[in-house]
Amino acid sequence: GENVEQHPSTLSVQEGDSAVIKCTYSDSASNYFPWYKQELGKRPQLIIDIRSNVGEKKDQRIAVTLNKTAKHFSLHITETQPEDSAVYFCAASIVAGNKLTFGGGTRVLVKP
Amino acid sequence: DSGVTQTPKHLITATGQRVTLRCSPRSGDLSVYWYQQSLDQGLQFLIQYYNGEERAKGNILERFSAQQFPDLHSELNLSSLELGDSALYFCASSDRSSGGAPWELFFGEGSRLTVL
Repeated sequence: GENVEQHPSTLSVQEGDSAVIKCTYSDSASNYFPWYKQELGKRPQLIIDIRSNVGEKKDQRIAVTLNKTAKHFSLHITETQPEDSAVYFCAASIVAGNKLTFGGGTRVLVKP
Repeated sequence: DSGVTQTPKHLITATGQRVTLRCSPRSGDLSVYWYQQSLDQGLQFLIQYYNGEERAKGNILERFSAQQFPDLHSELNLSSLELGDSALYFCASSDRSSGGAPWELFFGEGSRLTVL
């Protein structure tokens, strides 16, 4: 089955700096890659996703890039703000499939 | 509010006991997923149902079982509980026919299980 690895497990950045989280996946058939944000004590929520026919997608201060050949994808957060502090999960699935496999999560701390 | 309702929010029980966690998906969502999140751990996929039928199974223990009823609500049954079963159990639902992010999972607030 699919295996998703996520790095780093923790990331501390200064407010205003950029944060990058990287994920690799094992199943070459996977073609849907969402990112979820989980604030402390809250439920995970989708923040951005990308499909395999797209190499990059942006939404304001966040962007995701995908390299299908290398089977890795990344989340980029620019101009980080304290409210970006949370745990971020990458995930992968086959669009037509039923199972979303999550990475281990990255705890991001934005220091004011 | 995601529209997904989970009960109970908190549950404390003893080893060897059995509990049932309940999930009501968003109105119209046919898929229900169960995930386990242990302390400082990621989201471990347990099982998925679509319109009453099991669709995918993850690392779900034999002591655990689930079902989805005709009204689309789902229950996760955990039996012969062990200390290591203490975790936050999330239910999520999705509507694969919707626009936007077609496989967006809408998570409930979770049921926190503590086994003493």
